[in-house]
Amino acid sequence: EPEVTQTPSHQVTQMGQEVILRCVPISNHLYFYWYRQILGQKVEFLVSFYNNEISEKSEIFDDQFSVERPDGSNFTLKIRSTKLEDSAMYFCASSESGEGFSPLHFGNGTRLTVT
Amino acid sequence: KNEVEQSPQNLTAQEGEFITINCSYSVGISALHWLQQHPGGGIVSLFMLSSGKKKHGRLIATINIQEKHSSLHITASHPRDSAVYICAVSTGNQFYFGTGTSLTVIP
Repeated sequence: EPEVTQTPSHQVTQMGQEVILRCVPISNHLYFYWYRQILGQKVEFLVSFYNNEISEKSEIFDDQFSVERPDGSNFTLKIRSTKLEDSAMYFCASSESGEGFSPLHFGNGTRLTVT
Repeated sequence: KNEVEQSPQNLTAQEGEFITINCSYSVGISALHWLQQHPGGGIVSLFMLSSGKKKHGRLIATINIQEKHSSLHITASHPRDSAVYICAVSTGNQFYFGTGTSLTVIP
C-alpha cells in the first residue's frame, strides 16, 4: 500500500539554524498538510497546501515557517530560524481529495530537537 | 478554549471488553476524524465521518451532527488495540485535535 514518507526521522539543530523537513506524499494525492505535536501535548494543525499554494494556515504558522513543493514528489516544511519551542514531532499528511472527501494519510513524523 | 473534548483521557480494559471513547466538539465541521497513534508516535487514520456510522472490522464510529458528538467503539478488545486514540475535526479552514484517549488493553 502506498505511504507517505518523511525524512529525516530525527533532526537535531541549534537554535537560530534553518531546518528543512521533507515529505513525499502519496503520488496521486493532491492535498498536503503539516501538523506538529509538542511532546506530551495534542497534535496541532500548521498548514494545508493545494495546487501549489497554501490553502489554510494556523496562527502557529508565522513568518518563520514556509512550505514548498519544489518538484512533483517532495513537499517541504522550512523553519527559518529555529527556536527552542519549535522542538516537536512534525507530521506530514496527504489526501486524495479535499477535506471531508477523503481520509488523511500520515507519515511517521520527523522528531525535531532544537538545542 | 478546547474546540474538541475527548473522554476518558485514560482507559484500561481487559481483553475482550467492549470499549467506547467519546468526542464532543464545539465548531461547525466538514468532517470528523478518528486517528490512532502508536507508542512509537506514528498516526493512522481510522475513520473519516461527516454523518451516520462507519464500521471497519472491530471498530465502529458514529457521529451525531445535531449533538456535535462522536463515539468510537472497539468490540472484543485486544492488547494490540493499546494506543492513543485521537478525535480531530476539520472546519474546512482549520483542523482541531482532541488531547487523545490513552487505551491499555490487558491480556
